[in-house]
Parts: sequence; C-alpha cells; structure tokens
Amino acid sequence: EPEVTQTPSHQVTQMGQEVILRCVPISNHLYFYWYRQILGQKVEFLVSFYNNEISEKSEIFDDQFSVERPDGSNFTLKIRSTKLEDSAMYFCASYQGYNSPLHFGNGTRLTVT
Amino acid sequence: DQQVKQNSPSLSVQEGRISILNCDYTNSMFDYFLWYKKYPAEGPTFLISISSIKDKNEDGRFTVFLNKSAKHLSLHIVPSQPGDSAVYFCAASEGGSNYKLTFGKGTLLTVNP
Repeated sequence: EPEVTQTPSHQVTQMGQEVILRCVPISNHLYFYWYRQILGQKVEFLVSFYNNEISEKSEIFDDQFSVERPDGSNFTLKIRSTKLEDSAMYFCASYQGYNSPLHFGNGTRLTVT
Repeated sequence: DQQVKQNSPSLSVQEGRISILNCDYTNSMFDYFLWYKKYPAEGPTFLISISSIKDKNEDGRFTVFLNKSAKHLSLHIVPSQPGDSAVYFCAASEGGSNYKLTFGKGTLLTVNP
C-alpha cells in the first residue's frame, strides 16, 4: 500500500539553526499537511497546502516556518531559526481529494538543544 | 483549548470483548469526525469517519456512533483483538472532509489475551 514517507526519522539541531523536514506524499495526492505533537500533548495542525500554495495555517505557523513543494514529489517544512519549544514530532500528511482519508507519515522527531 | 476531549487516558479490555472509546466535543461547527489509531514510532492511521448528517457508521469490527445533541461520539470495537492495542485519537473538523483537524489527547487501549 502506498505510504507517506518522512525523512529523517530523528533530527537533532542546536537552537538558532535552520532545519528542513522532508516528506514524500502519496503520488496521486493533491492536498498536503504538516502537523506536530509536542511530547505529552495533542497532535496539532500547522499548515495545509494545495495547488502550490498555503490554504490555511494555524497561529503556531509563524514567520519562522515555511513550506515548499520544490518538485513533483517532495513536500518540505523549514524552520528558520529553531527554538527549544520547537522540539516535537512532526507529521506530514496527504490526501487525494474529497471523501478520501488523510494519510500520515511516521513522523520526524525534532530535538532542539 | 479543549475543543475535543477524550477523558479516559487509558482503557483495558479482554480479548473478544467490546472496547468502547469515548470522545466529547464543544465546537458546534464541527461536522466531520474521525478516529485514528497510533502505534509507537508510527504516524496516526485512519480507522473510520462519520459525517454529522449520520449517527452511525460501521466498517467491519469498528463502529462509530455520533450523538450531535450531546456532542459526543464513541468508537466500538467488537470483538477486540490484542493487535488493537494502541493509542486511539478522536479528531474533528469543520467544513466536511477538510483535514484541518482538531485532535483529542488520545486513549491508550490495551487488549489482554
């Protein structure tokens, strides 16, 4: 069964550094999402992306965050200057269109030291 | 922000019996509800969904019930199997299958052989 692939599975970075989290959504999917889960807390919506632009973003998704679909297969989340509180599990998700389920990747654990 | 609440952090049932997981919501604009299952080190996996125009949806061993007046939904698993042991998340969205999801904190289900 096709799946959403995320790399790396674990990323350690120093505060203030830039990180790029990478995702390969399922190939015929059109809608792309990033969610995150801080340890012990709920899974939270960050941003949705469709037709090469952001459809919606949460208040968490400030100017430090950006998303890009640089080619036909990858979908990336960039954090420009990481903070300690950015430490979380980041999930990429995608779906094909109306009435199809949202598929999540296995996540990238980001640790900011 | 407690728009979606799963008040039981854990539930333990015997193999073969029914598992009932509960979820309450406060936002009356939610009109699409989903259950996801999550194993450690994996992303959430879609289980079943229900639109607010229905009060029940069934898929194999899984049934979701929606009580709009009580703003309550539940997931029934019959019969429960040890492989069902996982964290179960309730999630909700406004505007149909728009996947800007608001998640509950999850319930850890343990099915004992």
